[in-house]
Amino acid sequence: SQQGEEDPQALSIQEGENATMNCSYKTSINNLQWYRQNSGRGLVHLILIRSNEREKHSGRLRVTLDTSKKSSSLLITASRAADTASYFCATVETSYDKVIFGPGTSLSVIP
Amino acid sequence: GAGVSQSPSNKVTEKGKDVELRCDPISGHTALYWYRQSLGQGLEFLIYFQGNSAPDKSGLPSDRFSAERTGGSVSTLTIQRTQQEDSAVYLCASMRLSTGEQYFGPGTRLTVT
Repeated sequence: SQQGEEDPQALSIQEGENATMNCSYKTSINNLQWYRQNSGRGLVHLILIRSNEREKHSGRLRVTLDTSKKSSSLLITASRAADTASYFCATVETSYDKVIFGPGTSLSVIP
Repeated sequence: GAGVSQSPSNKVTEKGKDVELRCDPISGHTALYWYRQSLGQGLEFLIYFQGNSAPDKSGLPSDRFSAERTGGSVSTLTIQRTQQEDSAVYLCASMRLSTGEQYFGPGTRLTVT
């Protein structure tokens, strides 16, 4: 069964705008991760946020985690056409190392 | 060293045939995962290996699917009597538990005709 659920399913923005994607999950987690996938092939790890962290930054990426609401958001600032990809959140449950992915958000950045 | 590698990159097979997909994880990564991704869909967890522990097979869709990991390194996913609904990209990932980050291979695109 799915653990993380992203929304929106698809997002289209103009280059330079910010993109925000959300992820909700159901169980207690050790950490939550965001990945990017281009062209339906291998995924690239973007950022990991631990359950005791509330916000994390990496370049143009900002991730927040609200464990009380069991939700996370990924913000990409000043988007570029090269950011066009599918973005997935993945959760690692507290009692287990199994990593479960959500269905993803498809982001299109229009030049 | 090198990242996660998978072979073959593409496999076309006839319905009813058996296929073997291979994954070479990053050296030193004790955890190895297999996922399946259908076109335009998210990742479906299949199986998880961690060290010498018994694998978590809870995601395998049927008994036609099996996987093994020899010597704690290379893993093979076997699909017996393939069906058209098995067509998908099969992704392998390895993880160093200390960091929790997964490193994905490029995947094997399986097409069952």
